Amino acid sequence: QAQLQESGPGLVKPSETLSLTCTVSGGSISGYCWSWIRLPPGKGLEWIGSIFYSGSTKSNPSLRSRVTISVDRSKNQFSLKLDSVTAADTAVYYCARRYDSSGFGFDYWGQGAPVTVSS
Amino acid sequence: SYELTQPPSVSVSPGQTGSIPCSGDNLGNKYACWYQQRPGQSPVLVIYQDTKRPSGIPERFSGSKSGNTATLTISGTQAMDEADYYCQAWDSSTVVFGGGTKLAVL
Repeated sequence: QAQLQESGPGLVKPSETLSLTCTVSGGSISGYCWSWIRLPPGKGLEWIGSIFYSGSTKSNPSLRSRVTISVDRSKNQFSLKLDSVTAADTAVYYCARRYDSSGFGFDYWGQGAPVTVSS
Repeated sequence: SYELTQPPSVSVSPGQTGSIPCSGDNLGNKYACWYQQRPGQSPVLVIYQDTKRPSGIPERFSGSKSGNTATLTISGTQAMDEADYYCQAWDSSTVVFGGGTKLAVL
């Protein structure tokens, strides 16, 4: 049974970089797609981006220029960096796992990391 | 950009059947998934590949698709089913979520 846990600062200043790490336990990183998804207050879920075991990445076109996702297989972790944040980036950030095959949804999620962008 | 459309809210009486539609261009040729999210909790996958239920999801949850509309149906709705529900699909390898539907069990 995989477990995912987000970690990182809960408060980020405008124009700075938001950095979060997801630690995966109870399972291997191989064979899966690892993603970041957020829930802004009063809004719906928004996919940020994904990294595949090969190391290739995909990201939301609306955020693409600001998003970097990386993986550290030795630590069973993957990370998110979101540059030049504004108040609109305030949200609960989730990491999630999806089996890398057509039609498989996100079956394991972290508990969520609330991040506020404010000076 | 690709969009999935859901009604903002749906109401259902306890014990009755409730349905949540999700529509999108060419959704008939894409897989759809559904998630339940209760307040303050992480989303839970309840349907994948249009109609399949993950292990541990009650049989009262079912998925279907007709044309470009996917539908989540909850039979014998219980108070604990009150939550936000999101559909999700893929478009050119990018993940898209619907806007979410608040299911009220009244």
